[in-house]
Amino acid sequence: QKEVEQDPGPLSVPEGAIVSLNCTYSNSAFQYFMWYRQYSRKGPELLMYTYSSGNKEDGRFTAQVDKSSKYISLFIRDSQPSDSATYLCAMSEGVGGTSYGKLTFGQGTILTVHP
Amino acid sequence: DAGVTQSPTHLIKTRGQQVTLRCSPKSGHDTVSWYQQALGQGPQFIFQYYEEEERQRGNFPDRFSGHQFPNYSSELNVNALLLGDSALYLCASSPMQVNYGYTFGSGTRLTVV
Repeated sequence: QKEVEQDPGPLSVPEGAIVSLNCTYSNSAFQYFMWYRQYSRKGPELLMYTYSSGNKEDGRFTAQVDKSSKYISLFIRDSQPSDSATYLCAMSEGVGGTSYGKLTFGQGTILTVHP
Repeated sequence: DAGVTQSPTHLIKTRGQQVTLRCSPKSGHDTVSWYQQALGQGPQFIFQYYEEEERQRGNFPDRFSGHQFPNYSSELNVNALLLGDSALYLCASSPMQVNYGYTFGSGTRLTVV
C-alpha cells in the first residue's frame, strides 16, 4: 500500500466550476501537507501548505486537512483554463515547527478546465 | 532572482553508461533535494544534501549518488544506467529552517536506450 493515495483522474470541468482534489494517507507521522501544481514540461510549483487540521484559504484556493481521517483536499473556485495542470499532494514528517525534509507525493491528478 | 536551475534539460544515454546531472539552488537556499518522476507518477525522493553531506536518503540503490559543493550547488550521479532509470529528475532547494517550502527546478529529462 502506498503511503499517499491520489486519484489520477483525469478530471475535466467547465470554466467556472468548483474543483475538488483529494488525497488520503496512511503515515500518522505526516505533519506538513502541501499542494503543488505542475504544468507540462515544468517542475512542481508550491500552491499551498498547511501544518494543522482545518482550512486554509488563498484566493480561489482552499486547502483542507483532516488528520483524524488522514484526508486532505484542495478546492479551486471559479476554475480557469489556466488552472489546467497536474495537481500533486505532498506530505512530510516533522516534530514541532521543523519538518524532516523528505516529501512524499501522491500520483498527481490531471485537471483540464475547458472554456 | 533566478530560481532553481538544472542542466542539461534533456539527455539520452545508453544502458550501462553513467550520467551526471547538475543543479544550482535558488539564491538564499542551502538545502538541495533530488527527486525522480516517472511518466504519470508523482516525484519520488532520492536524497537530500545540506552542508555538503547527505542528510536523508530514499529507497534508491547505491548506483544513485550525489554531491553538494560549498556554493550549495549539487550533482546527481547515476551509474550503470538501466532502462527503468528513464524519468524526469527534479532538483528542489529550500532554506534549511523552512524545509517544506521547496522550490523545484524544471528538471532534466533522462532517456536511457
